Amino acid sequence: KQEVTQIPAALSVPEGENLVLNCSFTDSAIYNLQWFRQDPGKGLTSLLLIQSSQREQTSGRLNASLDKSSGRSTLYIAASQPGDSATYLCAAPNSGNTPLVFGKGTRLSVIA
Amino acid sequence: DGGITQSPKYLFRKEGQNVTLSCEQNLNHDAMYWYRQDPGQGLRLIYYSQIVNDFQKGDIAEGYSVSREKKESFPLTVTSAQKNPTAFYLCASNIQGNHEQYFGPGTRLTVT
Repeated sequence: KQEVTQIPAALSVPEGENLVLNCSFTDSAIYNLQWFRQDPGKGLTSLLLIQSSQREQTSGRLNASLDKSSGRSTLYIAASQPGDSATYLCAAPNSGNTPLVFGKGTRLSVIA
Repeated sequence: DGGITQSPKYLFRKEGQNVTLSCEQNLNHDAMYWYRQDPGQGLRLIYYSQIVNDFQKGDIAEGYSVSREKKESFPLTVTSAQKNPTAFYLCASNIQGNHEQYFGPGTRLTVT
């Protein structure tokens, strides 16, 4: 069964710093991998979806990479801002049509 | 304006009462999901449905029930058999075969 792990559980950085959030998964036969953002008391917002055939996806200051062979994905945030403060979750399915398995998230605080 | 709606945002119930949480989507998505989120636990799958009139148990289905009579609606009933019902409940949906999931704003249920 797929297991998804995110380390660290929490991260605090000064404004303007570039940062990397890590996600690892145990079953490399994934269909895709998705990164989400969650603000306190809110639902999840989809940030990036990387298909298994892709190595990375970019959206604005966000770049997500996928290395299936090592079972890892990273979310790179450039020039962090206080508005980036939130919990970031990654999720991957076991195969095409099975539900997503979520990591517990990394809580990011960007200090002005 | 397409999206997923969950109502109500906050719900309070006495112990021993059943309660139904609403989830509606107008994205024409085939699959719908219910997750439970507790502090430090991440998202845990309760039930999911990939097609109308069919649904499957997730990892923590005990004490919950669902129905999928219409494509756009997937209500969740929290029964009195659920031992610890107080939690944040999230509904999600996606297109069959494409796992980019979209989430509703969530319902916070408090049972006393």
